[in-house]
Amino acid sequence: QSALTQPPSASGSPGQSVTISCTGTSSDVADYKFVSWYQHHPGKAPKLMISEVNKRPSGVPDRFSGSQSGNTASLTVSGLQAEDEADYYCSSYSDNNRVFGGGTKLTVL
Amino acid sequence: QVQLQESGPGLVKPSETLSLTCSISGGSFSDYNWIWIRQPPGRGLEWIGSIFKSGSNNYNASLKSRVTISVDMSRNQFSLRLTSVTAADTAVYYCAEGVRWSDYWGQGTLVTVSS
Repeated sequence: QSALTQPPSASGSPGQSVTISCTGTSSDVADYKFVSWYQHHPGKAPKLMISEVNKRPSGVPDRFSGSQSGNTASLTVSGLQAEDEADYYCSSYSDNNRVFGGGTKLTVL
Repeated sequence: QVQLQESGPGLVKPSETLSLTCSISGGSFSDYNWIWIRQPPGRGLEWIGSIFKSGSNNYNASLKSRVTISVDMSRNQFSLRLTSVTAADTAVYYCAEGVRWSDYWGQGTLVTVSS
């Protein structure tokens, strides 16, 4: 399984919106609607932010949203806040396997 | 609320076997499917393998020959064994719930492979 492709970094000022992309293949992202996104602060457990492409678990602010088009999924963070600064990972289910992206470091300027 | 806690040696010698345990609280092994994931220093997350509530497994093809994930129902734990380790296996190892997405994660444990 090949890793999903994410940009290594993204940034925005407080209040702005930023979108992080996640590119897979027709065997994972495009074929299954099980893309998920995780927020990871170093030293802590990753936190599920989005499941099934665009579903927000209880407690996740509605500033976080997910979408997908073909082989590419996206996470959009609107109204950036300082606490959003973290690493973000996408993941896709694929035929009983899981594949992750390399991670994107989001910096709030 | 399900909570997970990884445990095991933080240092393993090259060519030896890495063994970690994930203890489940606030839920039962048979309620969910479970996975192991690792993150080498400075790199992204890598799925290692899954164990289903049925007890069956699925492993990352790149690690399949060296990995075993098993369950101890009596202790509500599942375990990871990775044989013939090298420095490339140095990573933070996480256990988590869910094959398709993961609501619950452990804090992770750093395992260093070094003589």
